[in-house]
Formats: sequence, structure tokens, C-alpha cells
Amino acid sequence: DTGVSQNPRHKITKRGQNVTFRCDPISEHNRLYWYRQTLGQGPEFLTYFQNEAQLEKSRLLSDRFSAERPKGSFSTLEIQRTEQGDSAMYLCASSSTRRAYEQYFGPGTRLTVT
Amino acid sequence: DQQVKQNSPSLSVQEGRISILNCDYTNSMFDYFLWYKKYPAEGPTFLISISSIKDKNEDGRFTVFLNKSAKHLSLHIVPSQPGDSAVYFCAARRGIGGAAGNKLTFGGGTRVLVKP
Repeated sequence: DTGVSQNPRHKITKRGQNVTFRCDPISEHNRLYWYRQTLGQGPEFLTYFQNEAQLEKSRLLSDRFSAERPKGSFSTLEIQRTEQGDSAMYLCASSSTRRAYEQYFGPGTRLTVT
Repeated sequence: DQQVKQNSPSLSVQEGRISILNCDYTNSMFDYFLWYKKYPAEGPTFLISISSIKDKNEDGRFTVFLNKSAKHLSLHIVPSQPGDSAVYFCAARRGIGGAAGNKLTFGGGTRVLVKP
């Protein structure tokens, strides 16, 4: 299967702890996106990479959030000092340059902050 | 500022009939529109897209219609099947030149139930 993969699928953490999620995009895709989805809502954009460059960040991405894509392949999203409001599904997507609008999503990481 | 809205939270349809999902948007700078299907505990699955310069795109059982003057798009599923039961999201991309402007703005979703 050459789709977008995300790990872990589920993460339960205590408030104040740091968590890190990983995303592996479709291999030939150079664009990678992070979204967050809460219950009953559509996904909301967090940030976007083209190769290793982070080109856009939402104001939703507070200073506790950091994302990297060091070699232009996989990406990590870290949340420091987690809060209960961070509980959500974190989705990663990727797209090619030619059809950049067509984004393919991974299964997501469900974060629960207790 | 909800730029993409799906005003129907749910839809129930009989197997074999047509499902029509609607989506309204406010930003005239959107250049591509997409529909995604989402099952519980899974990521959204891409279904079909349409460029803002077209008014219709068809792929198998799925057809998307775009009415730019009304800032409205719809997804038709014919015939509906029980496996189509899921949450459907419409999304839009704002067309900006260069590297920026690739994020998708999503509606709130419509839950579809196809009854056998």
C-alpha cells in the first residue's frame, strides 16, 4: 500500500506532556499538509510543506506546536505542554505538484489529552 | 468566518435512489472544489474534484456540479449504495500564485445514510 501513513493511530497523554506524531506521505508527492479535525467539524488546516520548506502556517498553530520535514520525505508534528483543547484527530495529507489541489489523506492520529 | 458551508447535517436515502449533497461558499477566489468521503476512525477519502472554470465533472456514480454565480456546488451519487453511508465533506482551494494558497477549506460535513 503506497498511501499516506500516520503513526501512532491513537495517543492518550496527560495534560502537560509532549507528544510527537509522524506522517509518511505518498512517495512521489512533494507537498505535505497537516490538518486538525474535532468532533462534528471539517478538517482545519494547520501547516503546509513543499519539500522540506514550511511555506504556510495557520494561526491555529500556536507556539506549542512545531512541524518539521527535515529531508522532504516524512514529517513530524510535535505538541508541547499538551492541553485538553488539543484533543482532536490530526490528519496528514500529501499531493503532487502537478495536481496540488488533490490532497490524499492518511488515517489520522487520534489524540486524547486527559 | 465560515467560507465553505454544508447546511444539511444529515441525509437519508433509499438504496438505488439519488443522493444529492449541497455546499455553498463565499470566497470567489476558490479555484478548485473537492468532495471527500469519511468513514469513522479513518481519514477523508478523495472522491472527485472540479475546476472553477467548469460546471460539471463526472466519475462513475459521482457527478459534481458547480454554479459559480450562485457560489454553490452539489454532489450527486447515482445509484446510492449502502457502502456510501459515510460523512461527506466539500472542500475548496484558494487559487493563489506561487507556493502559497494550497490549503483546503472544508465544510462541516453531511452524514449520509443509505437504507437497504
